[in-house]
Amino acid sequence: GAVVSQHPSRVICKSGTSVKIECRSLDFQATTMFWYRQFPKQSLMLMATSNEGSKATYEQGVEKDKFLINHASLTLSTLTVTSAHPEDSSFYICSARSASHNEQFFGPGTRLTVL
Amino acid sequence: EDQVTQSPEALRLQEGESSSLNCSYTVSGLRGLFWYRQDPGKGPEFLFTLYSAGEEKEKERLKATLTKKESFLHITAPKPEDSATYLCAVQGLSDYKLSFGAGTTVTVRA
Repeated sequence: GAVVSQHPSRVICKSGTSVKIECRSLDFQATTMFWYRQFPKQSLMLMATSNEGSKATYEQGVEKDKFLINHASLTLSTLTVTSAHPEDSSFYICSARSASHNEQFFGPGTRLTVL
Repeated sequence: EDQVTQSPEALRLQEGESSSLNCSYTVSGLRGLFWYRQDPGKGPEFLFTLYSAGEEKEKERLKATLTKKESFLHITAPKPEDSATYLCAVQGLSDYKLSFGAGTTVTVRA
């Protein structure tokens, strides 16, 4: 149980384009989903928290208009990187928790490369 | 602000050589302390949750313990497949966010 998927696993795009990453909880209802980014050899940095049906809460320093988050259902959240630039290249990971558990279960991650 | 410090940064072990990883933390009120395993290029895999000092949990060759200031992850008789980065995270009482440490990268040689 507690499986979280992400799609795509890898994406390469040109500078200035937008990229959408999907995060799905496959066998439980995710009342809260989290989005992280991870740079090489570094730990996870929380970008934002989203609760189903409400606006995401962004961490300090994370641009809301740059990283659009939608959590439209209890099993799906999306992260859209708008007008991507090379400095947005990173490993993006989502996690999800249900109302009855404190644990966060993580997706496999999405490697974004912006040329 | 919650803070998590893990040591050592890297640990090289011979197969069968037991060792411990440390996670020191400061948090205004602890809801839970979590251990995850992360393989290169993958998302973290949940291992344990600890809630109160004195609590211990085990899974195969791994055992996690918790005090009021730190947690230890003991690896008993490790195998090469235990090679990974082990992440510690704390969750405060105010919300469900996790604050992660930088991780300990464990390499087990056959």
